[in-house]
Amino acid sequence: SQTIHQWPATLVQPVGSPLSLECTVEGTSNPNLYWYRQAAGRGLQLLFYSVGIGQISSEVPQNLSASRPQDRQFILSSKKLLLSDSGFYLCAWVRPGTGAEELFFGEGSRLTVL
Amino acid sequence: QKEVEQDPGPLSVPEGAIVSLNCTYSNSAFQYFMWYRQYSRKGPELLMYTYSSGNKEDGRFTAQVDKSSKYISLFIRDSQPSDSATYLCARMTGRRALTFGSGTRLQVQP
Repeated sequence: SQTIHQWPATLVQPVGSPLSLECTVEGTSNPNLYWYRQAAGRGLQLLFYSVGIGQISSEVPQNLSASRPQDRQFILSSKKLLLSDSGFYLCAWVRPGTGAEELFFGEGSRLTVL
Repeated sequence: QKEVEQDPGPLSVPEGAIVSLNCTYSNSAFQYFMWYRQYSRKGPELLMYTYSSGNKEDGRFTAQVDKSSKYISLFIRDSQPSDSATYLCARMTGRRALTFGSGTRLQVQP
Protein backbone atom coordinates (compact mmCIF):
# COMPACT_ATOMS: atom_id res chain seq x y z
CA SER A 1 0.00 0.00 0.00
CA GLN A 2 1.02 3.59 -0.55
CA THR A 3 2.03 5.88 2.29
CA ILE A 4 3.13 9.47 2.49
CA HIS A 5 5.44 10.89 5.15
CA GLN A 6 6.11 14.48 6.09
CA TRP A 7 8.65 15.89 8.50
CA PRO A 8 9.12 17.67 10.71
CA ALA A 9 5.61 17.57 12.14
CA THR A 10 6.03 20.81 14.05
CA LEU A 11 8.59 23.56 14.01
CA VAL A 12 9.05 27.08 15.33
CA GLN A 13 11.39 29.31 13.38
CA PRO A 14 12.51 32.95 13.75
CA VAL A 15 11.81 35.49 11.01
CA GLY A 16 14.61 35.49 8.45
CA SER A 17 15.69 31.90 9.07
CA PRO A 18 15.69 29.22 6.33
CA LEU A 19 13.13 26.46 5.98
CA SER A 20 13.16 22.93 4.65
CA LEU A 21 10.12 20.64 4.78
CA GLU A 22 10.37 17.15 3.36
CA CYS A 23 7.82 14.79 1.92
CA THR A 24 8.31 11.20 0.78
CA VAL A 25 5.83 8.83 -0.86
CA GLU A 26 6.26 5.07 -0.60
CA GLY A 27 4.68 2.24 -2.54
CA THR A 28 4.24 3.96 -5.89
CA SER A 29 6.31 5.29 -8.76
CA ASN A 30 6.14 8.58 -10.63
CA PRO A 31 3.37 10.12 -8.53
CA ASN A 32 2.21 13.68 -9.05
CA LEU A 33 3.17 15.61 -5.92
CA TYR A 34 1.70 18.73 -4.36
CA TRP A 35 2.41 21.27 -1.62
CA TYR A 36 -0.58 23.01 -0.05
CA ARG A 37 -0.77 25.54 2.76
CA GLN A 38 -3.69 25.83 5.15
CA ALA A 39 -4.01 29.04 7.15
CA ALA A 40 -6.28 29.17 10.20
CA GLY A 41 -9.95 29.32 9.18
CA ARG A 42 -9.12 29.29 5.50
CA GLY A 43 -9.20 26.75 2.72
CA LEU A 44 -6.20 24.94 1.33
CA GLN A 45 -4.03 26.98 -1.01
CA LEU A 46 -2.06 25.18 -3.70
CA LEU A 47 1.59 26.28 -3.66
CA PHE A 48 3.42 23.90 -6.00
CA TYR A 49 2.87 20.71 -7.92
CA SER A 50 5.23 18.38 -9.74
CA VAL A 51 4.65 15.75 -12.41
CA GLY A 52 8.22 14.42 -12.38
CA ILE A 53 11.79 14.82 -11.20
CA GLY A 54 12.91 18.41 -11.59
CA GLN A 55 9.50 19.50 -12.94
CA ILE A 56 7.92 22.09 -10.65
CA SER A 57 4.94 24.34 -11.30
CA SER A 58 4.38 27.31 -9.02
CA GLU A 59 0.82 28.40 -8.42
CA VAL A 60 1.41 31.39 -6.16
CA PRO A 61 4.50 33.64 -6.40
CA GLN A 62 5.90 34.09 -2.90
CA ASN A 63 8.73 33.52 -0.53
CA LEU A 64 8.83 29.74 -1.03
CA SER A 65 10.35 27.31 -3.51
CA ALA A 66 10.02 23.61 -4.15
CA SER A 67 12.30 20.92 -5.50
CA ARG A 68 11.93 17.28 -6.48
CA PRO A 69 15.39 15.72 -6.37
CA GLN A 70 14.07 12.13 -6.51
CA ASP A 71 10.95 10.49 -7.93
CA ARG A 72 9.18 10.16 -4.58
CA GLN A 73 10.68 13.10 -2.69
CA PHE A 74 9.30 16.63 -2.62
CA ILE A 75 10.93 19.46 -0.67
CA LEU A 76 9.55 22.86 0.26
CA SER A 77 12.12 25.55 1.07
CA SER A 78 12.60 29.16 1.94
CA LYS A 79 15.79 31.17 2.26
CA LYS A 80 14.29 33.73 4.65
CA LEU A 81 11.01 33.12 6.44
CA LEU A 82 8.39 35.83 6.90
CA LEU A 83 5.75 36.02 9.61
CA SER A 84 3.13 35.40 6.93
CA ASP A 85 4.71 32.01 6.15
CA SER A 86 3.19 30.56 9.33
CA GLY A 87 0.66 27.85 8.62
CA PHE A 88 -0.04 24.17 8.18
CA TYR A 89 1.84 22.75 5.20
CA LEU A 90 0.47 19.66 3.54
CA CYS A 91 2.10 17.41 1.00
CA ALA A 92 -0.19 15.36 -1.24
CA TRP A 93 0.05 12.87 -4.08
CA VAL A 94 -2.03 11.32 -6.84
CA ARG A 95 -1.41 8.17 -8.82
CA PRO A 96 0.43 8.71 -12.11
CA GLY A 97 -1.91 9.21 -15.02
CA THR A 98 -4.84 10.31 -12.87
CA GLY A 99 -6.17 13.75 -12.15
CA ALA A 100 -6.69 15.43 -8.81
CA GLU A 101 -9.98 13.65 -8.10
CA GLU A 102 -8.15 11.27 -5.75
CA LEU A 103 -5.70 13.45 -3.88
CA PHE A 104 -4.11 11.90 -0.78
CA PHE A 105 -2.59 14.09 1.91
CA GLY A 106 0.17 13.59 4.43
CA GLU A 107 -0.13 14.40 8.10
CA GLY A 108 1.16 17.94 7.67
CA SER A 109 3.91 20.16 9.06
CA ARG A 110 2.86 22.98 11.36
CA LEU A 111 5.14 26.01 11.01
CA THR A 112 5.14 28.95 13.38
CA VAL A 113 7.32 31.91 12.45
CA LEU A 114 8.08 34.26 15.35
CA GLN B 1 -16.28 35.90 -5.04
CA LYS B 2 -14.74 32.70 -3.66
CA GLU B 3 -15.05 29.75 -5.98
CA VAL B 4 -16.26 27.42 -3.21
CA GLU B 5 -18.20 28.68 -0.18
CA GLN B 6 -18.87 26.79 3.06
CA ASP B 7 -20.51 27.78 6.31
CA PRO B 8 -17.68 27.52 8.90
CA GLY B 9 -19.96 26.31 11.71
CA PRO B 10 -19.52 24.90 14.22
CA LEU B 11 -22.46 22.61 13.64
CA SER B 12 -23.41 20.72 16.79
CA VAL B 13 -25.74 17.70 16.64
CA PRO B 14 -26.67 14.84 19.01
CA GLU B 15 -25.37 11.35 18.36
CA GLY B 16 -27.55 9.48 15.88
CA ALA B 17 -28.73 12.60 14.04
CA ILE B 18 -28.62 13.04 10.28
CA VAL B 19 -26.08 15.69 9.36
CA SER B 20 -26.29 17.87 6.27
CA LEU B 21 -23.18 19.76 5.15
CA ASN B 22 -23.35 22.10 2.19
CA CYS B 23 -21.22 24.06 -0.24
CA THR B 24 -21.92 26.36 -3.13
CA TYR B 25 -19.61 26.92 -6.05
CA SER B 26 -19.36 29.61 -8.67
CA ASN B 27 -17.91 27.87 -11.75
CA SER B 28 -18.32 24.40 -13.19
CA ALA B 29 -15.84 23.82 -16.00
CA PHE B 30 -14.78 20.47 -14.45
CA GLN B 31 -17.35 18.08 -13.05
CA TYR B 32 -15.51 16.41 -10.16
CA PHE B 33 -16.55 17.31 -6.62
CA MET B 34 -14.95 15.99 -3.44
CA TRP B 35 -15.49 15.78 0.30
CA TYR B 36 -12.60 15.56 2.73
CA ARG B 37 -12.65 14.98 6.48
CA GLN B 38 -9.96 16.61 8.61
CA TYR B 39 -9.40 15.81 12.25
CA SER B 40 -7.72 18.40 14.42
CA ARG B 41 -4.02 18.86 13.57
CA LYS B 42 -4.14 16.12 10.91
CA GLY B 43 -4.07 16.07 7.13
CA PRO B 44 -7.38 15.92 5.21
CA GLU B 45 -8.70 12.46 4.33
CA LEU B 46 -10.61 11.89 1.11
CA LEU B 47 -14.13 10.62 1.92
CA MET B 48 -15.55 10.43 -1.57
CA TYR B 49 -15.77 12.17 -4.87
CA THR B 50 -18.59 12.45 -7.37
CA TYR B 51 -18.66 13.14 -11.03
CA SER B 52 -21.28 15.44 -12.49
CA SER B 53 -24.75 15.51 -10.91
CA GLY B 54 -26.58 13.03 -8.76
CA ASN B 55 -25.91 11.04 -5.62
CA LYS B 56 -23.13 8.76 -4.47
CA GLU B 57 -23.39 6.64 -1.35
CA ASP B 58 -20.65 5.04 0.75
CA GLY B 59 -21.82 3.51 4.00
CA ARG B 60 -23.29 6.23 6.20
CA PHE B 61 -22.14 8.97 3.83
CA THR B 62 -24.00 10.30 0.79
CA ALA B 63 -22.66 13.01 -1.51
CA GLN B 64 -25.03 14.95 -3.71
CA VAL B 65 -24.37 17.45 -6.49
CA ASP B 66 -27.01 19.77 -7.91
CA LYS B 67 -25.48 21.42 -10.94
CA SER B 68 -28.50 23.59 -11.67
CA SER B 69 -28.18 25.38 -8.34
CA LYS B 70 -24.37 24.83 -8.02
CA TYR B 71 -24.85 23.12 -4.68
CA ILE B 72 -22.76 20.29 -3.16
CA SER B 73 -24.02 18.39 -0.13
CA LEU B 74 -22.74 15.67 2.19
CA PHE B 75 -25.20 13.74 4.35
CA ILE B 76 -24.07 11.65 7.32
CA ARG B 77 -26.58 9.16 8.70
CA ASP B 78 -26.51 7.88 12.27
CA SER B 79 -23.80 10.37 13.19
CA GLN B 80 -21.19 9.26 15.74
CA PRO B 81 -18.88 11.23 18.06
CA SER B 82 -16.02 9.94 15.90
CA ASP B 83 -17.49 11.96 13.01
CA SER B 84 -16.57 15.16 14.86
CA ALA B 85 -14.12 16.88 12.52
CA THR B 86 -13.88 19.62 9.92
CA TYR B 87 -15.38 18.72 6.55
CA LEU B 88 -13.93 20.30 3.43
CA CYS B 89 -15.63 20.35 0.08
CA ALA B 90 -13.63 20.82 -3.09
CA ARG B 91 -14.10 20.91 -6.81
CA MET B 92 -11.69 20.31 -9.60
CA THR B 93 -10.66 23.52 -11.32
CA GLY B 94 -8.07 21.96 -13.62
CA ARG B 95 -6.91 18.40 -14.23
CA ARG B 96 -4.33 18.79 -11.50
CA ALA B 97 -5.93 21.49 -9.38
CA LEU B 98 -8.57 21.53 -6.68
CA THR B 99 -10.26 24.53 -5.10
CA PHE B 100 -11.27 23.95 -1.50
CA GLY B 101 -13.86 25.50 0.73
CA SER B 102 -12.70 26.73 4.11
CA GLY B 103 -14.40 23.85 5.92
CA THR B 104 -17.34 23.27 8.27
CA ARG B 105 -16.58 22.14 11.80
CA LEU B 106 -18.93 19.38 13.01
CA GLN B 107 -19.40 18.34 16.62
CA VAL B 108 -21.41 15.22 17.40
CA GLN B 109 -22.42 15.19 21.05
CA PRO B 110 -22.61 11.75 22.77
